[in-house]
Amino acid sequence: QSVLTQPPSASGAPGQRVTISCSGSSSNIESNTVNWYQHLPGTAPKLLIYSNNQRPSGVPDRFSGSKSGTSASLAISGLQSDDEADYYCAAWDDSVNGPVFGGGTKLTVL
Amino acid sequence: EVQLVQSGAEVKKPGESLRISCKGSGYSFTNYYISWVRQMPGKGLEWMGRIDPSDSYTSYSPSFQGHVTISADKSISTAYLQWSSLKASDTAMYFCARHGSSSWYSLDFWGQGTLVTVSS
Repeated sequence: QSVLTQPPSASGAPGQRVTISCSGSSSNIESNTVNWYQHLPGTAPKLLIYSNNQRPSGVPDRFSGSKSGTSASLAISGLQSDDEADYYCAAWDDSVNGPVFGGGTKLTVL
Repeated sequence: EVQLVQSGAEVKKPGESLRISCKGSGYSFTNYYISWVRQMPGKGLEWMGRIDPSDSYTSYSPSFQGHVTISADKSISTAYLQWSSLKASDTAMYFCARHGSSSWYSLDFWGQGTLVTVSS
């Protein structure tokens, strides 16, 4: 059972916008920043969003993040087939003194 | 180019010991913490612990404290994750990851993963 809660799946047609939610608590999301990772099985996970809404160099602006209270969300606009992957939210947890992750959301591009 | 290259897949028996590695290149290895993350089959990511390669100071998740040992050899830019007595439940993919340059609380570069299979 993951500390952060994500929907197990999400889907959208090419070109559409999809959002993935992430719910936590006062010891993680509410008091610390949220990061998002993209993972294609068999490859290294990739940092997609850090500090709630910042994109590392090379990540398209189709990806955006937001946070409010104990929840966060990742939005992907202009869906492409390459976006099919597992997406994980993560946040530092004060009680663990390390990051905690969501269970992951499998994104399907229809 | 920043790279973390992990050692290859391992197949072990319960009770055996194991050490897997993660070699950093393309950056100053001692300037960035390294964390280890577990992914059990069909499950999500779990943070196991981290090490400061400059002085080998470690911090573990309570879930993994006492079950694994994280170490590093800064002379060869390599971090390690080891078990003294493996269990079948240790079967998983293990990733190393570097704490971020823009945000220390993020993991900005990851290794390709090491699959550990423990079976009698």
